[in-house]
Amino acid sequence: KQEVTQIPAALSVPEGENLVLNCSFTDSAIYNLQWFRQDPGKGLTSLLLIQSSQREQTSGRLNASLDKSSGRSTLYIAASQPGDSATYLCAVIRRGSQGNLIFGKGTKLSVKP
Amino acid sequence: KAGVTQTPRYLIKTRGQQVTLSCSPISGHRSVSWYQQTPGQGLQFLFEYFSETQRNKGNFPGRFSGRQFSNSRSEMNVSTLELGDSALYLCASSLARTGVDTQYFGPGTRLTVL
Repeated sequence: KQEVTQIPAALSVPEGENLVLNCSFTDSAIYNLQWFRQDPGKGLTSLLLIQSSQREQTSGRLNASLDKSSGRSTLYIAASQPGDSATYLCAVIRRGSQGNLIFGKGTKLSVKP
Repeated sequence: KAGVTQTPRYLIKTRGQQVTLSCSPISGHRSVSWYQQTPGQGLQFLFEYFSETQRNKGNFPGRFSGRQFSNSRSEMNVSTLELGDSALYLCASSLARTGVDTQYFGPGTRLTVL
């Protein structure tokens, strides 16, 4: 059974700091891994998707890496801003299971001005 | 291009009632997935529809059901509501090529069961 774990559960940093969020999964047979952002009471915003054959993806100040063999992914946020405050979720799609994202519980990030 | 829309945004029901939630996917997307989000369990997969057929189903009781129409719009129904069904219900759409596509989420329907 695929399980996704995110550490830490919460993180508070001062504005301008670079930070790393961690995600681990137990079954390496995945199609892809996706990082999302969720603001309080809102839906999910897709940040980055990494295919199983890829090692990393970048978008602006965000960089996500994927190491399937170790079952790990990291989301790197450069020069954090107060507007980055949100809960960050990672999710995987297991091979043979289209449309079924398996989520971690998320990391709640707070960036202090 | 318009995003995923969900209606209604908020619902208050009492135990024993039933409820129907609606999801309109992004134009051209044929797959719609439904998720339940609660503080304790996080985000859990309910089911996924593609071309009007349920392709995957999560581990939820039969009180939770869904369907998809020919225009890809989807509805989910929960019968005989229980207090524990209070949650944010999210739907997501994608092009759904064999699991490689990004899923785009709607804003959710907040269901409160009293």
